[in-house]
This record gives sequence, C-alpha cells and structure tokens, in this order.
Amino acid sequence: AQSVTQLDSQVPVFEEAPVELRCNYSSSVSVYLFWYVQYPNQGLQLLLKYLSGSTLVKGINGFEAEFNKSQTSFHLRKPSVHISDTAEYFCAVSGNTGFQKLVFGTGTRLLVSP
Amino acid sequence: DAGVTQSPTHLIKTRGQQVTLRCSPISGHKSVSWYQQVLGQGPQFIFQYYEKEERGRGNFPDRFSARQFPNYSSELNVNALLLGDSALYLCASTSPRGQGRETQYFGPGTRLLVL
Repeated sequence: AQSVTQLDSQVPVFEEAPVELRCNYSSSVSVYLFWYVQYPNQGLQLLLKYLSGSTLVKGINGFEAEFNKSQTSFHLRKPSVHISDTAEYFCAVSGNTGFQKLVFGTGTRLLVSP
Repeated sequence: DAGVTQSPTHLIKTRGQQVTLRCSPISGHKSVSWYQQVLGQGPQFIFQYYEKEERGRGNFPDRFSARQFPNYSSELNVNALLLGDSALYLCASTSPRGQGRETQYFGPGTRLLVL
C-alpha cells in the first residue's frame, strides 16, 4: 500500500518569488509519482509525472519536481510564481506494476499575492 | 482530441435517492477510474475498470457500483444516498502502456449535493 503526506496545507507567497511544495510518500514497492493542480470548481490537471529515468522532471507552466528515493520525497518547485498559479496542488503516488490506483495527499493551497 | 467528459456537471438529490454519473474517456483509452473528492480533501479511489472488467475497488460501501460499456464509457451508481456522499466525483481515463505508461487524465467532475 502507498501513502502520501503533503506537509503544508497552505503556502502563501508573493508574485515572482520562488516556491517549493513538499511531498513525501511511503510505499513497499516501486512507484510512479504525480503532481496535479486543481483550480476552483474544476477537475485535476496533470502538471508532471515521474515514471522512471531522470530524477528531475519538468512539467507544464514552468513547474519541476525532483524524485529523491532515499528521502522518499517528490517536492514541486517553481522559480518564479504568477498570480495565476493560485490553486490547490495534489501529490499522488501509484505502484508501478499491475493494477494502479492513485493515492493522493491532502493537498497544498498555493496563494500568490501581488 | 477531446478530453475526459463527465455528465451532469451538477446534481442535487435528497437522502435515500439513487444517482447515476456518466463518464466518457479520452479516445483510445480503455481504462476508467472513479474518485470521490470531499470538500477540503484529496480524491479517494472508488473503482477502476479496464475492458469492461473491474480491476480494483476502494474502501467504499456496496451502495457504490459501476460498470463500463463496450465503447469504454462508464457509469457510477450510488444508491440510498447519504448526506456524506456530497462530493465532487471525478472520472479519469488511463493512457495505455507505451503511451505515457498508465497516466491518469481527469475530467471536470460531477458535483453532487445530497440534501
């Protein structure tokens, strides 16, 4: 079984500042890792994913994340945020064999102010 | 290409009623999953279907059921609705292996309110 911990429920940041949203996971098997973004009253949009290979993953809208197996982390970063990045961000994990369900964290609300 | 579509977008029901939610996956995707997202929480897995067969089920009561049709669309049924069933219900379709390797793409969701 897998689990995900998002350590921060809310992260306030000023526009053009860098941001890091933290995600730690637990799993007894090898995993796939994902970050999704949810804007108000919408579904989930895939930001980026780690399946294998390079531990630094680049996604849409200037986001990137680094898979750290020893620390079981998959933190999301952006060097300069915009007002439009204000949203809820979810980290998710699945096993990488057989039937795969996504296990989500509780989410981190990113609040970007001018 | 069209993304995952869900209908209806919003629904209001009363306790004890039954509801059916619908989902059409991305063209070429044969697997559909359903998730429940209660306000302020992350989505919780309900079901996954592949080629019309149930591949996995989350920790939900038997009041929840689903099926997948030959065209890979899916329905989620919830009987005997409770107030606690009020949530955003998300459908996701999964890319085949070799095409993004089992990445799930979500629809806009159906928001269910039980009064």
